[in-house]
Amino acid sequence: SYVLTQPPSVSVAPGKTARITCGGNDIGSKSVHWYQQKPGQAPVLVIYYDSDRPSGIPERFSGSNSGNTATLTISRVEAGDEADYYCQVWDSSSDHPVFGGGTKLTVL
Amino acid sequence: QVQLVESGGGLVKPGGSLRLSCAASGFTFSDYYMSWIRQAPGKGLEWVSYISSSSSYTNYADSVKGRFTISRDNAKNSLYLQMNSLRAEDTAVFYCARVGAPKYFQLWGQGTLVTVSS
Repeated sequence: SYVLTQPPSVSVAPGKTARITCGGNDIGSKSVHWYQQKPGQAPVLVIYYDSDRPSGIPERFSGSNSGNTATLTISRVEAGDEADYYCQVWDSSSDHPVFGGGTKLTVL
Repeated sequence: QVQLVESGGGLVKPGGSLRLSCAASGFTFSDYYMSWIRQAPGKGLEWVSYISSSSSYTNYADSVKGRFTISRDNAKNSLYLQMNSLRAEDTAVFYCARVGAPKYFQLWGQGTLVTVSS
């Protein structure tokens, strides 16, 4: 089964740039999607198809994907960005989705 | 208003059964694959099952295969999850989600809590 690896936590000061990675074997050949989950709330899609943003998601959120690592980048981080972030791909061999373990973003 | 609303969660004893429902509104339900995803307390997201738009295809996580059954009623804009032989490790918030193409979860419900305990 395909495995996605995320760092458990990332910390960043307000106004700086946060980068959250998602590692997987040849992940660059897959489409990667990212979700934001704030405490007590359902997840929200923030990036799909590596780098596309759903309507309503600020331009500060961007994504990239190459080789064995996909990255979610949050520019000009705000206190309201503090949340858990999950990456997700579709594993074609098992024909089902796979989630990373999640990264807790802390705004200092 | 485009939304998904889950219901049916609660406290059940080990070995018991529960049926979750998800009511969809604001979009053409029959156009989309749908899925259930769960999250154990303090843990990450775990995909459970999905069903095709016409119910012709389903898939399950190994952890629930043979115990859970996903179904839908397009006339009622509803998704279901029948859960049998429940175990303590099934305790989680269960979310229903609309599957977008290429295969991501573009819309989530608010979740319903299932607690399996004696």
